[in-house]
Amino acid sequence: GAGVSQSPRYKVAKRGQDVALRCDPISGHVSLFWYQQALGQGPEFLTYFQNEAQLDKSGLPSDRFFAERPEGSVSTLKIQRTQQEDSAVYLCASSLVSGSTDTQYFGPGTRLTVL
Amino acid sequence: DAKTTQPPSMDCAEGRAANLPCNHSTISGNEYVYWYRQIHSQGPQYIIHGLKNNETNEMASLIITEDRKSSTLILPHATLRDTAVYYCIVKSVDSNYQLIWGAGTKLIIKP
Repeated sequence: GAGVSQSPRYKVAKRGQDVALRCDPISGHVSLFWYQQALGQGPEFLTYFQNEAQLDKSGLPSDRFFAERPEGSVSTLKIQRTQQEDSAVYLCASSLVSGSTDTQYFGPGTRLTVL
Repeated sequence: DAKTTQPPSMDCAEGRAANLPCNHSTISGNEYVYWYRQIHSQGPQYIIHGLKNNETNEMASLIITEDRKSSTLILPHATLRDTAVYYCIVKSVDSNYQLIWGAGTKLIIKP
């Protein structure tokens, strides 16, 4: 079946530009997560949604980062006034329910390069 | 900070069993051990998880020591497609998110 999809797969932005990254979770999955992965490192948690509710945004690095999931399905991660340090792969994951041991399934990621 | 320690890299011959160790000496009773892998330019892929008993699925086996302070992921017959970074993660049953990732082990399968 269809997995988690993300678009675009690659994004190049000039410093100061705004970008929007899209995540389509697996259909019916309640939980959705965003992670940031710098080159050569493991992913770092950014934010978590249960349906449309953003229950944790403690990992967002600054107020330039904003995420939404208005209808409890597709999610968008927006970065305003991009900086070079925002260059990373942004990963989206979803899980069926919100249970503590539920498996997270990841998309392929969006590689953001800020020039 | 990650709660696990893994060797940065390992090699394994194709067709042999790949044994990837993970140290989690500070693991608490309500924390699971998860393994994911990430093939180059792809998102992480779930492999297996366990609490205290050994687990096996179609991809791998997970052996957890009796004191739960370490574990080993076993890929029984490694193929070239198993070349990836393997992450060992501990996750509390009280938390439904917050996978905390370390740097993982880069496993290279050699022909």
